Amino acid sequence: DIVMTQSPLSLPVTPGEPASISCKSSQSLVYINGINYLDWYLQKPGKSPQLLIYSGSIRASGVPDRFSGSVSGTDFTLKISTVEAEDVGVYYCMQALQTPWAFGQGTKVEIK
Amino acid sequence: QLQLQESGPGLVQPSETLSLTCTVSGGSISSTTDHWAWIRQPPGKGPEWIGSISYVGTTYYNPSLRSRVTITIDTSKNQFSLRLSSLTAADTARYYCAKEDRRASARGRLEYWGQGMLVTVSS
Repeated sequence: DIVMTQSPLSLPVTPGEPASISCKSSQSLVYINGINYLDWYLQKPGKSPQLLIYSGSIRASGVPDRFSGSVSGTDFTLKISTVEAEDVGVYYCMQALQTPWAFGQGTKVEIK
Repeated sequence: QLQLQESGPGLVQPSETLSLTCTVSGGSISSTTDHWAWIRQPPGKGPEWIGSISYVGTTYYNPSLRSRVTITIDTSKNQFSLRLSSLTAADTARYYCAKEDRRASARGRLEYWGQGMLVTVSS
């Protein structure tokens, strides 16, 4: 099975400042079509996870453009250009190259 | 707007079988580009993908649960269901149903989720 490892596990942030979360996969997530099957989700307190980014770097519908995803080999990064108070919660990466889909451990983002 | 809603018991006895149903509204479950997934999240932990099913009944299961899991679909009711047998306390979790995109451009994308149902395994 593919294993996803996130860092950091906890990230205190200051509103107005940028933030970055890393996710590393145990193997390449590139399919033969060239797409990296890696998604990012945000789970706000008491809510279901919500999709932010899919296929490595495509923002989901309605997601603010301050969120962006990037790929370098087996290293994936979620960046928030300017953190807002509503961005607090736990962020998860998830691989969808091969079943079982697997989530990272999560990164808890909270306001300093 | 697609909506998913889980239903079933919130408390189940150890060694028994859990049965949950997900009702889909605002769209058809008979989509050739979607699968229908179950995901669970133990308290304080990350999500775990349990498995998914296509509208024609093709299933994919997490190997860690395969011996205990059955996912079925009823297109006439726009519902799909989860059965998990031989329950232990380790199965206590919030269980979510979700729409899983299976198009090549967005495979695995879980864009729509139910609100989740907390299931406690305890005597």
